[in-house]
Amino acid sequence: AQKITQTQPGMFVQEKEAVTLDCTYDTSDPSYGLFWYKQPSSGEMIFLIYQGSYDQQNATEGRYSLNFQKARKSANLVISASQLGDSAMYFCAMRSPFAQGAQKLVFGQGTRLTINP
Amino acid sequence: EAGVVQSPRYKIIEKKQPVAFWCNPISGHNTLYWYLQNLGQGPELLIRYENEEAVDDSQLPKDRFSAERLKGVDSTLKIQPAELGDSAVYLCASSLGTNSYEQYFGPGTRLTVT
Repeated sequence: AQKITQTQPGMFVQEKEAVTLDCTYDTSDPSYGLFWYKQPSSGEMIFLIYQGSYDQQNATEGRYSLNFQKARKSANLVISASQLGDSAMYFCAMRSPFAQGAQKLVFGQGTRLTINP
Repeated sequence: EAGVVQSPRYKIIEKKQPVAFWCNPISGHNTLYWYLQNLGQGPELLIRYENEEAVDDSQLPKDRFSAERLKGVDSTLKIQPAELGDSAVYLCASSLGTNSYEQYFGPGTRLTVT
């Protein structure tokens, strides 16, 4: 069975500092995908970044980067130069492999990030 | 391009009453998902549609929950009768298809059962 673990219930960071949100995963499948979503107080889940298990390089999207350490089964999200608007819940998720019907996302419990001015 | 639309945004009902949630996915998206998100938790998949066919409903409590996606576009999720433990946010998401990894989520419907 697949499992996502986010061990940080809450994080408090000063504006403009970099922040790392931890995510570890467990799967026996060689092919999988890892995602990070942001959920502001409005409730909508916003896709941030994706990393495929066979991707050689760490994914980057603007201020977001994913620190993918396959041997450690770790997929931490790094936000550079944090902004007040980054305050939200952040969820790490894993996708089941295509062979099993694809597209089922398994989410972690989330980390609430608060950016202080 | 319009995003995933859900209604209502909020719903308060008494236990044992029925309730229905509506979702309109992004135009052209063949795959539609309903997720349940309890307070302080990540979303959990309830059901996934490929066009009008429910291809993964293993997590849907079929004794009280039902869903449909007529004509492969809009979808409705129903609970009858609602229980106190059903209080949660119900999220709808859509994607282009099976091989598309990115899911686009709607704002959700927050259900409170009293």
